[in-house]
Amino acid sequence: DVKVTQSSRYLVKRTGEKVFLECVQDMDHENMFWYRQDPGLGLRLIYFSYDVKMKEKGDIPEGYSVSREKKERFSLILESASTNQTSMYLCASSLGSSGRTEAFFGQGTRLTVV
Amino acid sequence: DAKTTQPPSMDCAEGRAANLPCNHSTISGNEYVYWYRQIHSQGPQYIIHGLKNNETNEMASLIITEDRKSSTLILPHATLRDTAVYYCIVRVFNQAGTALIFGKGTTLSVSS
Repeated sequence: DVKVTQSSRYLVKRTGEKVFLECVQDMDHENMFWYRQDPGLGLRLIYFSYDVKMKEKGDIPEGYSVSREKKERFSLILESASTNQTSMYLCASSLGSSGRTEAFFGQGTRLTVV
Repeated sequence: DAKTTQPPSMDCAEGRAANLPCNHSTISGNEYVYWYRQIHSQGPQYIIHGLKNNETNEMASLIITEDRKSSTLILPHATLRDTAVYYCIVRVFNQAGTALIFGKGTTLSVSS
């Protein structure tokens, strides 16, 4: 089974802190994605990556950056955390650039910024 | 990107078929229709996908209209564990990769 693992299930950080959310997948997938999910707004794409060191902005990249130094790992970075970044963060991965393959999601990290 | 329209909520009695509709009238010829669901406090889970033909797997059936402008996800015998938010997504394809763009989905409530 494909496994997408997010480093923390729950995280509490202070305003202004630099925050790293880590995601690892074990199936050699090319694509990796970061979403955030908020009540009433659904899942919104922050960034995605289609290869090592490659990244594309999603719908809401402001305040975030990403890093993909190895194929299996995709990190989301909050340079200076703010309270409006309190949210559920979901990582996903999928094979290649074909439209045919499904994405697999991690369990999510619930981040609270105080 | 093709957009999808789904009803915000639906109810279904346990043991009955749940039919979840989705409109995607601007879908392009090479875009697939995907369905995912998200059970409370979990990450989304893939259910099924299709291009033109109807599809069936162990979880559900997908019926796509001939003009591909709408589709229906069918859970043939809904159980309480099928209570979830169901997302209909049209897969975006671009040179650099693909991204799933989620709408707000349909909240399906299955009751006994």
